Amino acid sequence: GNSVTQMEGPVTLSEEAFLTINCTYTATGYPSLFWYVQYPGEGLQLLLKATKADDKGSNKGFEATYRKETTSFHLEKGSVQVSDSAVYFCALSDDTSGTYKYIFGTGTRLKVLA
Amino acid sequence: DTAVSQTPKYLVTQMGNDKSIKCEQNLGHDTMYWYKQDSKKFLKIMFSYNNKELIINETVPNRFSPKSPDKAHLNLHINSLELGDSAVYFCASSQGMVSGANVLTFGAGSRLTVL
Repeated sequence: GNSVTQMEGPVTLSEEAFLTINCTYTATGYPSLFWYVQYPGEGLQLLLKATKADDKGSNKGFEATYRKETTSFHLEKGSVQVSDSAVYFCALSDDTSGTYKYIFGTGTRLKVLA
Repeated sequence: DTAVSQTPKYLVTQMGNDKSIKCEQNLGHDTMYWYKQDSKKFLKIMFSYNNKELIINETVPNRFSPKSPDKAHLNLHINSLELGDSAVYFCASSQGMVSGANVLTFGAGSRLTVL
């Protein structure tokens, strides 16, 4: 079945450091890929998405590229801020089953120190 | 105006009780969901309704019963609560079953603690 694997956290970085959170997926069809972010005490919110191979999603300085050849969708940011501290979820939407069911990764906690 | 609102935000109750969590969305979305997030932040789909019709029903104990009176509301009723039901329950909605456009909008969560 479909699955999403993301790197385990927590990830602790100093402000202005470069961030990479790895995410790989397995899917039988052509899923859409997403990154969601959860700030403390809040629900998840969409950070960025990509709907087909080689698409790059970007938002708030974060980027991720849909790589079909490596089945990856790694999240990157060039210079993190303390306000980026949150839990990040990689997810895919299974577009081939007719239900567009989401599969979420286990989440990666990011802590950015001033 | 909150897009997806759920009540209550916190719920503390005794084992064996019955409780409900309500969810409402004002986005005009066709599809609504319930997710369970455990203490390790793992997120699991429970149910999904599209235009009041149940379309996803994961392996969830039948003590959990969703009800969708209209497409803007999806409530979750839990009977005979157990310690393992303690979690944060998130309601979410999406525009519908449209490829690539299935972006979820989440509520703020309802933290259930069973003593």
